[in-house]
Amino acid sequence: AQSVTQPDIHITVSEGASLELRCNYSYGATPYLFWYVQSPGQGLQLLLKYFSGDTLVQGIKGFEAEFKRSQSSFNLRKPSVHWSDAAEYFCAVGPINSGGYQKVTFGTGTKLQVIP
Amino acid sequence: DAGVTQSPTHLIKTRGQQVTLRCSPKSGHDTVSWYQQALGQGPQFIFQYYEEEERQRGNFPDRFSGHQFPNYSSELNVNALLLGDSALYLCASSLKPSAGELFFGEGSRLTVL
Repeated sequence: AQSVTQPDIHITVSEGASLELRCNYSYGATPYLFWYVQSPGQGLQLLLKYFSGDTLVQGIKGFEAEFKRSQSSFNLRKPSVHWSDAAEYFCAVGPINSGGYQKVTFGTGTKLQVIP
Repeated sequence: DAGVTQSPTHLIKTRGQQVTLRCSPKSGHDTVSWYQQALGQGPQFIFQYYEEEERQRGNFPDRFSGHQFPNYSSELNVNALLLGDSALYLCASSLKPSAGELFFGEGSRLTVL
């Protein structure tokens, strides 16, 4: 069964500092991987996704993530955090089964606080 | 272009009651998935609908049921509500069942007293 682990529940960074959010997944084959962001009172928005190819993927809002098969990881990074990045971030894995249907499984999330 | 819309946004029910939540997918999308997000948790997959049939189901009891209509909109029904059903219910649509990217609505916040 597929699963996602986000080991950090809360992270606090200073505005302008770099950010790395950790994500480890469990799945037998190469998974489809995603990072979503959720602001308070809102739904989830896709930041970026990895299906295949280049293991470093670029997303919206200056975020990037790197797929490392050997470590079963898909960590999210941003070189310089802005106060508006404060939100909850979810890593997700979404393989497609033999019937052609995709089930996306989410981690428990990492809440990012940005301090001036 | 309207995104995913859900109704109602908030509702309060008592134990044992039944609730129906509604979702209209993003224009052009034909697949709808429902998720339950308890406070402080990640979204948990309930089920997915495509071509008016339930195609996949997560680890939820039969009290949770759904429907998809010919216009691709969907309903989530929960019977015999329990206190533990209190959560944010999220609807997500996609271009097809294997499209990859999910587009989420802002959710329906259910409180069971």
